[in-house]
Amino acid sequence: GQQLNQSPQSMFIQEGEDVSMNCTSSSIFNTWLWYKQDPGEGPVLLIALYKAGELTSNGRLTAQFGITRKDSFLNISASIPSDVGIYFCAGHGGGSEKLVFGKGTKLTVNP
Amino acid sequence: EAQVTQNPRYLITVTGKKLTVTCSQNMNHEYMSWYRQDPGLGLRQIYYSMNVEVTDKGDVPEGYKVSRKEKRNFPLILESPSPNQTSLYFCASSFHSGVDIQYFGAGTRLSVL
Repeated sequence: GQQLNQSPQSMFIQEGEDVSMNCTSSSIFNTWLWYKQDPGEGPVLLIALYKAGELTSNGRLTAQFGITRKDSFLNISASIPSDVGIYFCAGHGGGSEKLVFGKGTKLTVNP
Repeated sequence: EAQVTQNPRYLITVTGKKLTVTCSQNMNHEYMSWYRQDPGLGLRQIYYSMNVEVTDKGDVPEGYKVSRKEKRNFPLILESPSPNQTSLYFCASSFHSGVDIQYFGAGTRLSVL
């Protein structure tokens, strides 16, 4: 089945630093989504990407849908303590009704 | 307020004792889904439903049942829970299909002893 490889698995950064994480797939995806999960909560959608090459921002977050349709990245600028959590990429491809998730990037921000 | 509500939030049970985790959404969404989240494995889909009385298996359906008798409710049933079903479970819903943006509940942490 379709799989997403998300990296890095975890990150430990200082407040104010920029963060970058990415997802790759061996197959083409038609939609890329980025979710954030706060401790003890369910995932919440951050950014949705629908077109190859699309670059979308949401405040300090920026995400891009790769030209090959096989990858996506998420950048967080000037990180703050509340950015702590697990970030998941997810995508749809090939006519499937299923949303495939990456394994997550756990972000720790030291004040 | 638009939301997906799961109950209970926490549950400890013993092997073999049937249990049901409820999920309800108030957004009139057609698509609903159950996931389990395990360390290092991310979110894996258990079952999903495209509409009332329409359900299908996800990636890890073994040991689980679901039903969709009403549009707003999508309960997850464990007929005979086993310790390997100890996990964090999430219900999600979307407007029309799995391709649409999915909204998640707050999660149910289940421990099977």
